Amino acid sequence: AQTVTQSQPEMSVQEAETVTLSCTYDTSENNYYLFWYKQPPSRQMILVIRQEAYKQQNATENRFSVNFQKAAKSFSLKISDSQLGDTAMYFCAFMKDNAGNMLTFGGGTRLMVKP
Amino acid sequence: KAGVTQTPRYLIKTRGQQVTLSCSPISGHRSVSWYQQTPGQGLQFLFEYFSETQRNKGNFPGRFSGRQFSNSRSEMNVSTLELGDSALYLCASSLFGSTNYGYTFGSGTRLTVV
Repeated sequence: AQTVTQSQPEMSVQEAETVTLSCTYDTSENNYYLFWYKQPPSRQMILVIRQEAYKQQNATENRFSVNFQKAAKSFSLKISDSQLGDTAMYFCAFMKDNAGNMLTFGGGTRLMVKP
Repeated sequence: KAGVTQTPRYLIKTRGQQVTLSCSPISGHRSVSWYQQTPGQGLQFLFEYFSETQRNKGNFPGRFSGRQFSNSRSEMNVSTLELGDSALYLCASSLFGSTNYGYTFGSGTRLTVV
């Protein structure tokens, strides 16, 4: 079974600054996918970024980028130029390859962006 | 294009009752998954349906069941409700059978059991 751990229950950052959210996971799989989801107060989970484990290049989506360290089983999210709208819960998630659509989530990090 | 629609948004039930929650996926999406979100246990996978067949099931008791219709709409049912079933139930849909592209989630149904 897979486990996903987010060691920072809460974080805060000043607007326009950069923040990094941590995520580690444990799996015996070699092929898998990793995701970061954002859950604002509206409750809807929104996909922020995804990473294929077979790709060494770190994924980037505008202000969001990841640092994927496969050997260390680490998958951190960096948010640059933080905006007030980035305030939300952030969840790291794991999905096995070719095993259907089943995500294993971490416990989440509550991010507060301060003006 | 309409997103994933979950109804109702809020629900209050009494312990021992049963409840049915509905999820309408994005048009054309064939995979629907359900998750339970609670403060104590976090987000936990319930089950996944693809083309009307249950493909994966999480570690939940048999009181939790689901189904998917030919139009891909899905329902989940919880029988003999317990206080611990109070949670946000999230539905997610995907076009493909294996969504390494990530799901689209609905806004959830908040179930309160009293």
